[in-house]
Amino acid sequence: AQSVAQPEDQVNVAEGNPLTVKCTYSVSGNPYLFWYVQYPNRGLQFLLKYITGDNLVKGSYGFEAEFNKSQTSFHLKKPSALVSDSALYFCAVTFSGNTPLVFGKGTRLSVIA
Amino acid sequence: EAGVVQSPRYKIIEKKQPVAFWCNPISGHNTLYWYLQNLGQGPELLIRYENEEAVDDSQLPKDRFSAERLKGVDSTLKIQPAELGDSAVYLCASSLGAGSTYNEQFFGPGTRLTVL
Repeated sequence: AQSVAQPEDQVNVAEGNPLTVKCTYSVSGNPYLFWYVQYPNRGLQFLLKYITGDNLVKGSYGFEAEFNKSQTSFHLKKPSALVSDSALYFCAVTFSGNTPLVFGKGTRLSVIA
Repeated sequence: EAGVVQSPRYKIIEKKQPVAFWCNPISGHNTLYWYLQNLGQGPELLIRYENEEAVDDSQLPKDRFSAERLKGVDSTLKIQPAELGDSAVYLCASSLGAGSTYNEQFFGPGTRLTVL
């Protein structure tokens, strides 16, 4: 069965510093990996996805993520954090076009000015 | 372009009462999803529609939950009767491209249900 783990419930970063939100996955085939962000009282918003090709994926708002097959990871990164990046971040995985996305528990990112 | 619309945004009911949630997806999106999100957890799929057909309802508790998407556009999710454990946020999402779950999903703001 497919699963995804976000090992950190909370990540605190100073504004201007680089940030990393971790995600590891477990699937039986080739994974399709996603990052979504959730702001208070709003629905999830798509940030980026890895389907195939280049392991480094660039997404919205300056975020990027690197697919690492050997470590089964898909960590979300940003070179310079903004206070407005503070939100709840979800990693998700599926392994085919017909199976549901499985979401992680989420990581709350807090960027401090 | 309007996003995914859900109503109501908040609902408070007593246990054993029925409740219904409505979702209007983005125009042209064939695929519609209902998710359940408990506090401190990620969304969990309840049901997925391709047009008007429910293609994955394996996680839908069918003894009390039902859903419909009669004309392949709007959808309604119903709980009857509601239980205390149903208190959660119910999210609707839609995407292009029937038959593919790796397309970007667009989420509505959700309906926060509180069962007393």
